[in-house]
Amino acid sequence: AQKVTQAQTEISVVEKEDVTLDCVYETRDTTYYLFWYKQPPSGELVFLIRRNSFDEQNEISGRYSWNFQKSTSSFNFTITASQVVDSAVYFCAPTTPGGSEKLVFGKGTKLTVNP
Amino acid sequence: EAQVTQNPRYLITVTGKKLTVTCSQNMNHEYMSWYRQDPGLGLRQIYYSMNVEVTDKGDVPEGYKVSRKEKRNFPLILESPSPNQTSLYFCASRTVNTEAFFGQGTRLTVV
Repeated sequence: AQKVTQAQTEISVVEKEDVTLDCVYETRDTTYYLFWYKQPPSGELVFLIRRNSFDEQNEISGRYSWNFQKSTSSFNFTITASQVVDSAVYFCAPTTPGGSEKLVFGKGTKLTVNP
Repeated sequence: EAQVTQNPRYLITVTGKKLTVTCSQNMNHEYMSWYRQDPGLGLRQIYYSMNVEVTDKGDVPEGYKVSRKEKRNFPLILESPSPNQTSLYFCASRTVNTEAFFGQGTRLTVV
């Protein structure tokens, strides 16, 4: 069975610290996509990034970076120089291409960035 | 503007009174889903649809019905709501291998 785990329930940092959010996706599928979403206190779900399982290169976009380690099925998402506005719940959500397109969410990591 | 529209945003109802939450998307997406969000449980999929007249159960379908008569609409029906269906509900749409677009959410309280 497929399983997505976000082991960090809550993280609290001080502004300008770097913070890494972890996501592990256990599956027998060799090809899949993984999405990261952000849910700020206002409640809407905001799409952040999409990664695929066959690309292990790290990527950077502004203050966000992410990397995928195939050996451990870990998709890590890093925010550099965190800001108070980054405070939100972050969800990772994998899906299997070409299948039922079922998007399964982890339970989320609540990030609090204190001034 | 590409969007998913849910209505209503807030709803308080009584046990057993049938209700429908509407969802509409303007992106011609094939896939639509309903999720409920509860504290500590994340988002759990209720039902999803791969196209018109094609629907399937998600992880928590009990007590809910859906229909997909048109590609743009995917209403969620609670025939006899109960207090354990008090939750925050999200509708989402997407196409193959892309991110999901979410509605603004519907906060439902069943008393």
